[in-house]
Amino acid sequence: EAEVAQSPRYKITEKSQAVAFWCDPISGHATLYWYRQILGQGPELLVQFQDESVVDDSQLPKDRFSAERLKGVDSTLKIQPAELGDSAMYLCASTLQPNTEAFFGQGTRLTVV
Amino acid sequence: AQSVTQLGSHVSVSEGALVLLRCNYSSSVPPYLFWYVQYPNQGLQLLLKYTSAATLVKGINGFEAEFKKSETSFHLTKPSAHMSDAAEYFCAVSRSNDYKLSFGAGTTVTVRA
Repeated sequence: EAEVAQSPRYKITEKSQAVAFWCDPISGHATLYWYRQILGQGPELLVQFQDESVVDDSQLPKDRFSAERLKGVDSTLKIQPAELGDSAMYLCASTLQPNTEAFFGQGTRLTVV
Repeated sequence: AQSVTQLGSHVSVSEGALVLLRCNYSSSVPPYLFWYVQYPNQGLQLLLKYTSAATLVKGINGFEAEFKKSETSFHLTKPSAHMSDAAEYFCAVSRSNDYKLSFGAGTTVTVRA
């Protein structure tokens, strides 16, 4: 069964270090989302891609976060420098088209120490 | 702006009893409404989605939700709880027919034998 792949599953990093997460959506899915889920809260949207273009990054803290999807397939989310408050689960989701069901990956759990 | 409020962060039910999870939304335009389930350290799985086709929406695993515009509610129910229903449940809203979602804080369901 096709699924959204994310790696790593778990990451521990020291504050002020750089960290990156990778997402490989389901093949053929043009729309890709990154969400951040702080413990005890619901996910919040960070960025939305349509193919290789950013559709919405209004909630992305651009001073330290960046996201790219260079060839319109897999995507990388980077944080530099990491802060203690960035500790969270980072979820990637993809859809065939914007209005079709989104499938979520298992997420990357980041702990900043 | 759009948001959802989930009433009750924790719900405990006996196996075989009714599951009722409450969600109220605020939206300046007719919304698209969703319920997701999340098992520990997993991504989110769509239970059901309201898109104005019918006010009573049936989803997977025996869950259903009713859209009540007058009450701005979209409560999730299941007639008979099973041990496998123990998880966290999120209500979400989208202003457009895509998966750029605003999530509630979540409700954790425990099922007692």
